[in-house]
Amino acid sequence: AQKITQTQPGMFVQEKEAVTLDCTYDTSDPSYGLFWYKQPSSGEMIFLIYQGSYDQQNATEGRYSLNFQKARKSANLVISASQLGDSAMYFCAMRVAGGFKTIFGAGTRLFVKA
Amino acid sequence: DTEVTQTPKHLVMGMTNKKSLKCEQHMGHRAMYWYKQKAKKPPELMFVYSYEKLSINESVPSRFSPECPNSSLLNLHLHALQPEDSALYLCASSQDTSSYEQYFGPGTRLTVT
Repeated sequence: AQKITQTQPGMFVQEKEAVTLDCTYDTSDPSYGLFWYKQPSSGEMIFLIYQGSYDQQNATEGRYSLNFQKARKSANLVISASQLGDSAMYFCAMRVAGGFKTIFGAGTRLFVKA
Repeated sequence: DTEVTQTPKHLVMGMTNKKSLKCEQHMGHRAMYWYKQKAKKPPELMFVYSYEKLSINESVPSRFSPECPNSSLLNLHLHALQPEDSALYLCASSQDTSSYEQYFGPGTRLTVT
């Protein structure tokens, strides 16, 4: 069975500082993809970043980077230079190869302080 | 165009009403999904359509009836809902069911009175 664990229900960060959102996962499938989504209060799920299980390098997309540690089964999201607009719920998610289902973690609510 | 659109944005309906949610994408994706999301919870998968055929029904009550009229459109027909069905309903699409990346729509916020 696949599982995603996000242990931080809420996080605070000062504007312009970096923040790390934790995510650990569990799967016995060797081929999988890991994702982070941002969900503002408006409700839309915004895709941020993707890491494949066979990717050698950590994924980066602008201010977002994914710290992928395969042996530890962790896929932490790092947001650099936080902005007020980064305040939102963040979900870590996983899909295994051939699987229809995206497994989501419980989410982390990020608050960016001015 | 990497957009999934959903209408309506908000919907209030009584328990005896019949209504429909609509989802549309023009990315040529052949897999489409309905998710239900309760407040402060992650999305839960309801249905998966692959090449316009229903592939997965996650034991959803029959008062929710999905329909995929063509490869760009996905509907969710609602009938005799309960107040506990009030939630955000998200539609998503992907290239196909083996693709990792899913694109989500903005959702329909449903309130059942």
